[in-house]
Amino acid sequence: RKEVEQDPGPFNVPEGATVAFNCTYSNSASQSFFWYRQDCRKEPKLLMSVYSSGNEDGRFTAQLNRASQYISLLIRDSKLSDSATYLCVVIINAGGTSYGKLTFGQGTILTVHP
Amino acid sequence: DTEVTQTPKHLVMGMTNKKSLKCEQHMGHRAMYWYKQKAKKPPELMFVYSYEKLSINESVPSRFSPECPNSSLLNLHLHALQPEDSALYLCASSQVWVRGQMNTEAFFGQGTRLTVV
Repeated sequence: RKEVEQDPGPFNVPEGATVAFNCTYSNSASQSFFWYRQDCRKEPKLLMSVYSSGNEDGRFTAQLNRASQYISLLIRDSKLSDSATYLCVVIINAGGTSYGKLTFGQGTILTVHP
Repeated sequence: DTEVTQTPKHLVMGMTNKKSLKCEQHMGHRAMYWYKQKAKKPPELMFVYSYEKLSINESVPSRFSPECPNSSLLNLHLHALQPEDSALYLCASSQVWVRGQMNTEAFFGQGTRLTVV
């Protein structure tokens, strides 16, 4: 079983639609959670961190459910510019070490069309 | 400055060549990473350095040799690569883990697109 699993999509939605992505993780020692966005042939860029209480940034809302070991990303009022691959990232910190191991989900491709 | 700078952006090398990829950051981050990304796949962790010491090697072949000469620089030395090593190589940096710190995001460089011929 992969450490971090995402539905790869692709998701094709019209402008203005609401779309949700889910991601599950298998290691209960996972401690930090993020959503990254990657445009074609570019590097991943941080979209938002995911906090236990859930957090919102404009049209984007992230949720964490530790009991069920999943995180989600909701995008409201989709824009053409939201078209990208969305990567779920989980950090596992081995106890007592000074580094975290970033593990990526396989990414979900989103295409927003006019 | 939240930049991670990688050079070169593109590299074509033969299977007998020796080359190096370079990565630099000035954010004071003491954790640095090398990732390999193939087309339509997520980045895969290769190495983690913490306080300039190699902390994780994800069973990477010895033809890839990382080096962290100081807290701002990370190199990846390449020798006798195979065509299947062609990929985007990404460098990232982050703060080191501090007990109780929940969100330690990583910043990525633009990557080096490597082609082995």
